Order: sequence, then C-alpha cells, then structure tokens
Amino acid sequence: KQEVTQIPAALSVPEGENLVLNCSFTDSAIYNLQWFRQDPGKGLTSLLLIQSSQREQTSGRLNASLDKSSGRSTLYIAASQPGDSATYLCAVPLVNDMRFGAGTRLTVKP
Amino acid sequence: DAGVIQSPRHEVTEMGQEVTLRCKPISGHNSLFWYRQTMMRGLELLIYFNNNVPIDDSGMPEDRFSAKMPNASFSTLKIQPSEPRDSAVYFCASRSGTGRTGELFFGEGSRLTVL
Repeated sequence: KQEVTQIPAALSVPEGENLVLNCSFTDSAIYNLQWFRQDPGKGLTSLLLIQSSQREQTSGRLNASLDKSSGRSTLYIAASQPGDSATYLCAVPLVNDMRFGAGTRLTVKP
Repeated sequence: DAGVIQSPRHEVTEMGQEVTLRCKPISGHNSLFWYRQTMMRGLELLIYFNNNVPIDDSGMPEDRFSAKMPNASFSTLKIQPSEPRDSAVYFCASRSGTGRTGELFFGEGSRLTVL
C-alpha cells in the first residue's frame, strides 16, 4: 500500500532563506509526483508535476526533484518570501485516487 | 481556461436539508474527483468519474450522499438529508490524459456548514 510522508509537519524561516521540503513514498512504482500549495480557506494549487522519467522540474523560484529508487522528492524554494507561507502537499496517483501527504505548513517571517 | 469551477463557495444549512454542490471541470479533462477535507481526516476521496462514468464510489460515506455526471462539463454532489457531521470543505478536481499521467487541478472548494 502506497504511503506518502512529509517531514517536517511545520517549518518557520526568516524571509530570504532558501529551504527544502521533503516528501517520501513507499512504493517506487509511481507514474508521477505532484506538488501542491494550499492557502487557508482555499483550494489546492498545482505547483509542479514530475513524471516518473524526469529527475527535476523548475518553475520560477521552485525546483522539485524526484528520486524514485529512494522513494523521495524534494521541493526547493529559493529566496523565500512571506507570500510563500502556505501548506505544501505532495501526492502520487493511485489507480482511482491520489495519495496525499499530510503537508508541511510553511511560515516565512518578514 | 477558467480552471475547475465550483458552486456555491459557502453553504450554511440546517440539519435535514438537501444540499447540492456543483462542479464544472476543465474543458477536455476526462477524469473528475470529489474530495472532502476536514481538519481531523485530511483529504478523503468520495467518488471518481472517468469519461462521465462513476468508477469508484467506495469513499461515499453512506446512502445520503450521491453524485452524478450527466455530461463532460458538469457534475453534482448531493447530500440528503444533511447532518452536522457532513460539515467540511468539498473539493472537485479534474485531470486530463490517460490513466494516472495527467496533472490534477482543484477547484476552490465548497465550504459546507450544517447546523
């Protein structure tokens, strides 16, 4: 059974710092891995989708990596800003569903 | 594209009333999911449609919940009768592509409060 874990559950950093969010999964036979952002009271916004054949995806200050063999993905945020404060979730597709991690709640302090 | 559109954004109702939540998926997406999110249980899949056909409804809590997708551009989730424990945020999401390769997009959600 696929399990997705995100560590840490919460993270607080000063503005400008580079940071890494971690996501691990137990079954390496994944099609892709997707990173989402959720602001309070809002829906999940897709940030990056990494297909199983890819090692990295970049969008602006965000860079996501995927290592299927070790069952890990990281989301790197460069030069963090207060507007980056949100909960970040990773997810992998199942047959009829997505398996989500519990998320990392990020706070970037001005 | 306007993204996944859900309505209403907020619904407050009294126990026993019927609630209907609506979703318009992204045009061209052939998979549609209804999720429920609560603080205690996180995101839970309620039902999954593929090409307008319900494929997996094992997450639907009980007979009070029903979902339809009459065409590729519209889906409803109905709760009748509603109960206070149904209070949650209900999300609709859609995905393109075949199998599990596509990117999943969520709507803004419908926040339901049952008094």
